[in-house]
Amino acid sequence: DIQMTQSPSSLSTSVGDRVTITCRASQSISSNLNWYQHKPGKAPNLLIYAASSLQSGVPSRFSGSGSGTDFTLTISSLQPEDFATYYCEQSYSPPFTFGPGTKVDIK
Amino acid sequence: EVQLLQSGGDLVQPGGSLRLSCAASGFTVSDKYMSWVRQAPGKGLEWVSIIYSGGTTYYADSVKGRLTISRDNSKNTLNLQMNGLRAEDTAVYYCARLSEVAGNWGMDVWGQGTTVTVSS
Repeated sequence: DIQMTQSPSSLSTSVGDRVTITCRASQSISSNLNWYQHKPGKAPNLLIYAASSLQSGVPSRFSGSGSGTDFTLTISSLQPEDFATYYCEQSYSPPFTFGPGTKVDIK
Repeated sequence: EVQLLQSGGDLVQPGGSLRLSCAASGFTVSDKYMSWVRQAPGKGLEWVSIIYSGGTTYYADSVKGRLTISRDNSKNTLNLQMNGLRAEDTAVYYCARLSEVAGNWGMDVWGQGTTVTVSS
């Protein structure tokens, strides 16, 4: 099975800051990488699919990059509604797997 | 409107069984890839299972042989039959629809979640 890691596991930041989260796969997954935002008590929300494509309705401050084994999610200017946990997920080969998550909270 | 409505979560004893359902509206379940994802208390998201439109299924190692994903086409519903439940299966369970773009599959529609608690 493909293992996913993320860093950092958590970060404390402020509104307006630029945030970068990295995700690494244990083997090449081409561009089959998705990013989700998850808030307590809510269903996860797909932000980025195919490593760099913005899901419909997601603000343009979110962007993704990478291919192969190394990927990045960037939030260009953090907004109050962005405080949440972010997960990467590989959809290259089943069983699909999530990274452990990165919790973004208020400094 | 495209949506998924979940039901079936409950408190069950270790070794017991439970069936989760996920009713779809606005699309046909059998035309799509569908998945189950769970989140145990204080933990991250865990991918559980997928069923392809053609009927092929896959499972996480942690649930293989105990949980079974299926569809009821007459009710346009996704199901998860859970047998031999363990304390570590305690979680909020989400169903999700997958959509394909350029060879990549992402979970773009989610149910509201349903809580399964395994405890004596």
